[in-house]
Amino acid sequence: DTAVSQTPKYLVTQMGNDKSIKCEQNLGHDTMYWYKQDSKKFLKIMFSYNNKELIINETVPNRFSPKSPDKAHLNLHINSLELGDSAVYFCASSQGTGAFFGQGTRLTVV
Amino acid sequence: GENVEQHPSTLSVQEGDSAVIKCTYSDSASNYFPWYKQELGKGPQLIIDIRSNVGEKKDQRIAVTLNKTAKHFSLHITETQPEDSAVYFCAAPDMRFGAGTRLTVKP
Repeated sequence: DTAVSQTPKYLVTQMGNDKSIKCEQNLGHDTMYWYKQDSKKFLKIMFSYNNKELIINETVPNRFSPKSPDKAHLNLHINSLELGDSAVYFCASSQGTGAFFGQGTRLTVV
Repeated sequence: GENVEQHPSTLSVQEGDSAVIKCTYSDSASNYFPWYKQELGKGPQLIIDIRSNVGEKKDQRIAVTLNKTAKHFSLHITETQPEDSAVYFCAAPDMRFGAGTRLTVKP
């Protein structure tokens, strides 16, 4: 069983569209995260939720909105997509120590 | 949030040599220091971590050392192998990551 799973793995979309990436973890962890990894491999934290409550909200455009329906799920919605949003997005979960990461979603905005 | 600075950004070694990657942090209250390895096309994977109550931790060929006075922690890989080639990240307790080190092990 995959510990942290993201869907879709690849997403190609046009500028201006709205898209969502889903994340689910079956580890029973309380904390989940979203990261953006650019072409230079820099891993930037975007959001962190603890037990469905937002605890980290970095400086990201408000076109990005996380939604946590329960503590096993943290979805990322992106409105009005721009070329600069192209990146790999990683979901992760943790329980006090190191995090487990999903396999990533490669988003390409054309 | 916590700032972590990671050096070097790239590191190339011959197979069998040792590799050392260093991270410095700013918050003296930080108490947990993980290291992640990211292989091509995959998500980062935790490889070793250390808590602030110990100075060193080893797991086979990898080790992490912590210097609380100087506020830095380092990843040591001995007897490097080509499969150690990857991008390595340190992280702060709040899960902010260092900039990464691309390690290349030449056969």
